[in-house]
Amino acid sequence: AQSVTQLDSHVSVSEGTPVLLRCNYSSSYSPSLFWYVQHPNKGLQLLLKYTSAATLVKGINGFEAEFKKSETSFHLTKPSAHMSDAAEYFCVVSAPTGANNLFFGTGTRLTVIP
Amino acid sequence: DAGVIQSPRHEVTEMGQEVTLRCKPISGHDYLFWYRQTMMRGLELLIYFNNNVPIDDSGMPEDRFSAKMPNASFSTLKIQPSEPRDSAVYFCASSLAGVNQPQHFGDGTRLSIL
Repeated sequence: AQSVTQLDSHVSVSEGTPVLLRCNYSSSYSPSLFWYVQHPNKGLQLLLKYTSAATLVKGINGFEAEFKKSETSFHLTKPSAHMSDAAEYFCVVSAPTGANNLFFGTGTRLTVIP
Repeated sequence: DAGVIQSPRHEVTEMGQEVTLRCKPISGHDYLFWYRQTMMRGLELLIYFNNNVPIDDSGMPEDRFSAKMPNASFSTLKIQPSEPRDSAVYFCASSLAGVNQPQHFGDGTRLSIL
C-alpha cells in the first residue's frame, strides 16, 4: 500500500534562508515521487520527479529533493528562499501500475518573511 | 503550449441546479484527471481517463457526479443536482503516459453552490 505524509502543515522562513519541506512515504513498490507547487488561484505545477535514477533530483526554481530509501523520505530543499517561493507544496507518491496508485500529501504552506 | 484549459474559472449557482465543468487537455496527452480541492479534504482524485475511456471512478463521491470524455480534446464533469457541500475548486490535469508520470494542471474552476 502507498501513502505519503507531509510532516509540517506550515513552514515560515526568512528571505534568503534555506527551505526544508519534509515528506515521508510508504510504498510496497519502487515508487515514483513528485513535488508540486501551487500558487494562489492556480493549478499545481511540477517542481521535480524521482523515478529510481539519481537519488538527488534537481527541479525548477532552484529546488531539489533527495530520495532516502532507508528513511523513506523525500524532503524538498532550497538553499535560499525568495519571496516568490511562498506557496503550497505537495508531495506525491505513485506506484508503477494499477488503479488508485496516486497519493497526494496534505500540503505544506510556505511563508517567506521579507 | 496552451496548457490545460478549464472553463468556467468561477461558477456560482443555486442548490439543485445542474453544473457542467469543462476541460481541454494538452494535445497528445493520453490521460486526463479530475480532482476536487477543499480545505477540509485537501486534493481528491475523482476520476481519470486513458484514451477517452474512464479507468477509475472510485473517487466520484456519489451518483450526482458524472464525467465524460467524448474525444481526446474535451472532457466534462457534471453535477446534477448540485448541493452546497459540492462547493470546491475542481481541477483538470493531463499527462502523457500514465498515472505515475508528471501531470499538467489547469487553473481550476471555483464552484460555489448557494
